Amino acid sequence: EAGVVQSPRYKIIEKKQPVAFWCNPISGHNTLYWYLQNLGQGPELLIRYENEEAVDDSQLPKDRFSAERLKGVDSTLKIQPAELGDSAVYLCASSSPGGYGTDTQYFGPGTRLTVL
Amino acid sequence: AQSVTQLDSHVSVSEGTPVLLRCNYSSSYSPSLFWYVQHPNKGLQLLLKYTSAATLVKGINGFEAEFKKSETSFHLTKPSAHMSDAAEYFCVVSDNTNAGKSTFGDGTTLTVKP
Repeated sequence: EAGVVQSPRYKIIEKKQPVAFWCNPISGHNTLYWYLQNLGQGPELLIRYENEEAVDDSQLPKDRFSAERLKGVDSTLKIQPAELGDSAVYLCASSSPGGYGTDTQYFGPGTRLTVL
Repeated sequence: AQSVTQLDSHVSVSEGTPVLLRCNYSSSYSPSLFWYVQHPNKGLQLLLKYTSAATLVKGINGFEAEFKKSETSFHLTKPSAHMSDAAEYFCVVSDNTNAGKSTFGDGTTLTVKP
């Protein structure tokens, strides 16, 4: 079974430039998550999808971040414009509903973003 | 509201000795608790989870954890460390409501000395 796929693995951009990350979840997983992981910290949820619907985007900085999951499968996370403080690892995870809060999340390898 | 505190940011053990990674949690609801492991340049992988069944949970690679409600703890243990156990470990609490939101600890780096 293929795992969660993310691309690119690494991205270096100048500040104020746009950037996009792509995620393809495990086949059949309805729930998709985007996390931000700063160095030395645990992942923090940015947005969670149930199929095409964003059910929790309370931590997504909507002035510069956007996400979409148009067909309920793969997803794109965009930052425009990027700031120096956005340098971090962006993780995508997916899960198959097993009950509220009990789902095992399967993580991709992440995209390491460096903003210069 | 929920939170999780990993009491040690770094733990160093010798190969073949026991491992103890400590985690305390706070939750307004009956929580689910997880331990994930992250090896360098790899995605987080589930080690084990507690979801209101048996309080002693066994996971992969010889790890286990015990849910202690009275102490609000979910410490991760392994009787004998292996070099391959060196990694970052994250304790996670999720509430069992419609939100089902997960909160991650800041991680514990485990170093295993030969």
